[in-house]
Amino acid sequence: TQLLEQSPQFLSIQEGENLTVYCNSSSVFSSLQWYRQEPGEGPVLLVTVVTGGEVKKLKRLTFQFGDARKDSSLHITAAQPGDTGLYLCAGRPPSSGGSYIPTFGRGTSLIVHP
Amino acid sequence: GAGVSQSPRYKVTKRGQDVALRCDPISGHVSLYWYRQALGQGPEFLTYFNYEAQQDKSGLPNDRFSAERPEGSISTLTIQRTEQRDSAMYRCASSLMGRQGPYNEQFFGPGTRLTVL
Repeated sequence: TQLLEQSPQFLSIQEGENLTVYCNSSSVFSSLQWYRQEPGEGPVLLVTVVTGGEVKKLKRLTFQFGDARKDSSLHITAAQPGDTGLYLCAGRPPSSGGSYIPTFGRGTSLIVHP
Repeated sequence: GAGVSQSPRYKVTKRGQDVALRCDPISGHVSLYWYRQALGQGPEFLTYFNYEAQQDKSGLPNDRFSAERPEGSISTLTIQRTEQRDSAMYRCASSLMGRQGPYNEQFFGPGTRLTVL
């Protein structure tokens, strides 16, 4: 089983601050996805990264896939209360063959105070 | 809307009873996944289907748990002889096709909150 460790587990910050959350593994993934889950809702996909070293930007969110495709980071600039939620990373194993079972991390719970 | 729906949204049952949780995926989505999610944590894989075929059930905790998707659309997760430790949020997700490339997106349902007394 490939494990994804997310850190920090909890983050409570003020509006306007910057933050970075991390997703790490000892295993290689062929791709990695980031989801955001708001209270009472299901996770919603934010981005997929595929290539080692890849950087993707989504407004104030910057996602990076590590060169070795074992880790990823999410950086949020000037956080807003609407960014509050549980941030989940999910990795796709490299040799999934005909099946695809994503491995989810435990998540980073972010609260942005106005 | 045309999203993934689940029913019931909340289920309270007594220990020892059987429960059936339903998932209605997005129309045309081939793959359907079942997860269990503890509060504030990531989804834990239970099982998944492509069309009506159960591809992997390695995440089902024990033989009291089963799932089916007989016509390749709606799926039912059944828990027999429920125990208190089964209490959790059960979510399903659907996607176009699980093995079609890395950009495959899962669309999650709102979940069924199961409480076993």
